[in-house]
Amino acid sequence: RKEVEQDPGPFNVPEGATVAFNCTYSNSASQSFFWYRQDCRKEPKLLMSVYSSGNEDGRFTAQLNRASQYISLLIRDSKLSDSATYLCVVNTNGRGNDMRFGAGTRLTVKP
Amino acid sequence: DADVTQTPRNRITKTGKRIMLECSQTKGHDRMYWYRQDPGLGLRLIYYSFDVKDINKGEISDGYSVSRQAQAKFSLSLESAIPNQTALYFCATNPGTSGSRQFFGPGTRLTVL
Repeated sequence: RKEVEQDPGPFNVPEGATVAFNCTYSNSASQSFFWYRQDCRKEPKLLMSVYSSGNEDGRFTAQLNRASQYISLLIRDSKLSDSATYLCVVNTNGRGNDMRFGAGTRLTVKP
Repeated sequence: DADVTQTPRNRITKTGKRIMLECSQTKGHDRMYWYRQDPGLGLRLIYYSFDVKDINKGEISDGYSVSRQAQAKFSLSLESAIPNQTALYFCATNPGTSGSRQFFGPGTRLTVL
């Protein structure tokens, strides 16, 4: 079993749709959680950190469920510019050397 | 995050050649990392360094070596490149504070023929 698992997609949605991605992790000692966005052949860029109480940033909402060991990302009112691959990242020891990356979920938003 | 730079951005080389990928940062972070990314796989850690005198192997260090020349510079070498080292390579930094995350360079696309 992979340490961080994501549905690879692709998710193809129309503009304005709401789309949700889930990510599961295997290490119950994991301490911090992130969603990164990666455009084709570019570096991953932080979309948002994920906090235990859940957090929102504009059209993006992240949730963490420690009991079930999963993280979710909800995108409302999808824009064409949201097309990218979304990476789930889990850090198990807070030192940065034990970050585990999901393989990513590919999203395409169509007109 | 243009503060982490990588050279070259693209490189095509032949099997058996030695190649060096360089990473520089102006963020003042002590922690630096090298990852590789392959299609269908998450980023995998090759080596990491928490300061100039600290070098550690990651999960896939075989066939690679690194040098931390200064706080701002971290180089990755392939002593004798092989085709399955064809991948996208990313350098990253981390400030080392609790809950902090990786800042990535723009990546180097390496092709080994």
